[in-house]
Parts: sequence; C-alpha cells; structure tokens
Amino acid sequence: DAMVIQNPRYQVTQFGKPVTLSCSQTLNHNVMYWYQQKSSQAPKLLFHYYDKDFNNEADTPDNFQSRRPNTSFCFLDIRSPGLGDAAMYLCATSTRTASTDTQYFGPGTRLTVL
Amino acid sequence: AQTVTQSQPEMSVQEAETVTLSCTYDTSESDYYLFWYKQPPSRQMILVIRQEAYKQQNATENRFSVNFQKAAKSFSLKISDSQLGDAAMYFCAYSSYAGNMLTFGGGTRLMVKP
Repeated sequence: DAMVIQNPRYQVTQFGKPVTLSCSQTLNHNVMYWYQQKSSQAPKLLFHYYDKDFNNEADTPDNFQSRRPNTSFCFLDIRSPGLGDAAMYLCATSTRTASTDTQYFGPGTRLTVL
Repeated sequence: AQTVTQSQPEMSVQEAETVTLSCTYDTSESDYYLFWYKQPPSRQMILVIRQEAYKQQNATENRFSVNFQKAAKSFSLKISDSQLGDAAMYFCAYSSYAGNMLTFGGGTRLMVKP
C-alpha cells in the first residue's frame, strides 16, 4: 500500500546532541511537510518542500533544518535539541493539484530530550 | 492570515448517538478547502472528510457529514451512530485554493461512552 513512513517512531536524545528524523513516501507526491506537534496541541508547520524547493516558515527556529535528497525521502535535522523541542514530529505529503489537495500524514516520531 | 477556531476542547457522546463538532474560520478568500482530520491516541492523523468551498453541497463520508455555511464561515462535523473507535482528537483545518498549507484549529477531544 502507498504510504508515508517515519523512522524511528520513538527517538530519545540528549540535550544539545544532534538528531535526525526521517520520512519516506511511496505516494510519489511533490510536496513533503514537517510539522511539530506538542502535547494536546495542533500541529505547527515547520517547513515544506515543493519538489526540491525549500520553504521555511517564518517562525521556525534556525535549530531546525531539512533535507530532501530525492522525491521519496525527507529528513528533519535538529542541530542542538533543547528541552522545548520534545514533541511529536509529523511528516506529511501531498500533490498540488486542485482536485487532490489533501495531505497524507505519517505516524509521527515522538522525540524525547533528556 | 487565516485562522481556524474550534470552541469545544472536549466533547463526549454515548455510543450509537450523534455528535456535532464545531469549527469556524476566518478568511478573505473565496476559494479554499476545509478538512476534518482525526488523530486517535498514539496513532497517525487521517483525513475524515474534505469540502471544497465552491461546492454548495455538503460533503458526506458514510457516518460523517459536514454542515458547511460559507457566509457564516462555519464548518461543523456530524458523526452519526458514534462508535468506540471514533474516540480521538479531531482537527478542523483550512487550506487556500492556490496553495497547500494547512491551518489547523486547536482540536476537539471526542470521548465515546459505551
């Protein structure tokens, strides 16, 4: 089945130790997104790629970076995680046609910062 | 900028009964999409239903239907014959027609009582 896969599902890191979260998709969608979702809150968009074009949200901290080496994969790098970065990180994909403008989400990676 | 408001942080419903979740939004655009996403505990977010603003007919997906009132900027979700598996966090979301960014409401936690 076509899907959005996130690895790992649970990640524990130490304060200040860089961490990378990965997302892959078999939907062949042009657009990939990274969201941060803290407990009992709505997802907050960090950035997205339209093909290889990177789009950063204005309030996304510089501590968060992303890479998209090909259509299928996208990575979220947190250079120096702080305690406030503990959250669920959601990857999503979509096409950008008017008739199928729906985002499909992965299961998320729960990040714990010690 | 668009905003989405869900005024009910929590709702509960008896199994087999009907419940309506409220959502209002603010936009100056005339063409857009509206969505309801469901996020069960520790599980991935999935699309429940979507509505194109140019369509007057309310969207329906099995037990899920919406009441879309464009002039009032209201987009409520009705769940009929509620089931235990409907227990989840429900997010209302807005997307511009020209773009594909989702603006989420704060969410409504739905509890289903057996």
